[in-house]
Amino acid sequence: GQNIDQPTEMTATEGAIVQINCTYQTSGFNGLFWYQQHAGEAPTFLSYNVLDGLEEKGRFSSFLSRSKGYSYLLLKELQMKDSASYLCAVRGADKLIFGTGTRLQVFP
Amino acid sequence: DGGITQSPKYLFRKEGQNVTLSCEQNLNHDAMYWYRQDPGQGLRLIYYSQIVNDFQKGDIAEGYSVSREKKESFPLTVASAQKNPTAFYLCASSYFRTGGVTDTQYFGPGTRLTVL
Repeated sequence: GQNIDQPTEMTATEGAIVQINCTYQTSGFNGLFWYQQHAGEAPTFLSYNVLDGLEEKGRFSSFLSRSKGYSYLLLKELQMKDSASYLCAVRGADKLIFGTGTRLQVFP
Repeated sequence: DGGITQSPKYLFRKEGQNVTLSCEQNLNHDAMYWYRQDPGQGLRLIYYSQIVNDFQKGDIAEGYSVSREKKESFPLTVASAQKNPTAFYLCASSYFRTGGVTDTQYFGPGTRLTVL
């Protein structure tokens, strides 16, 4: 079967660092994507990993370990506008398989 | 401006009616996708198309139909027989099998369908 697990909700304080984990079991692997989705809006692309290691892009970083079926998204210097859902998605042969998303609330 | 457009943003339908959701892209992407999103659930794939005049069923295709007569357009019809069609519908597009991050899917703004 195919399964992607993420925590349902997380909270953090403005200025802090938060790590959102994603574990996956899929029949194929051709990369892992992280998307951000504000309430009522479309998901927007944040990052892509296909090789093991850390990809850094400004305040956001994403890590992948293929042998462990594990990824995380690291958000630094949190801002109020980072309150959103974060979706982990694994690309199989032709399709993306999405997790249920992690809703992050940032408090002042 | 390149992008993906979906219309309308909000759609209300009476039970027993078919309804068609529009999706257009001018990104010159080969592939297009339709997803459904329900509260507390991940995106679920309804249909996808990798080239013009060809499309494949996703995980929840029952009660839906699509066409791909033009590269830019991928309309979704929600049949009256579809059980519980009230949801947020998202269209996406991407290049196809060019490899790596260039196959990233980009999403339109979505259509929120409510069946009354």
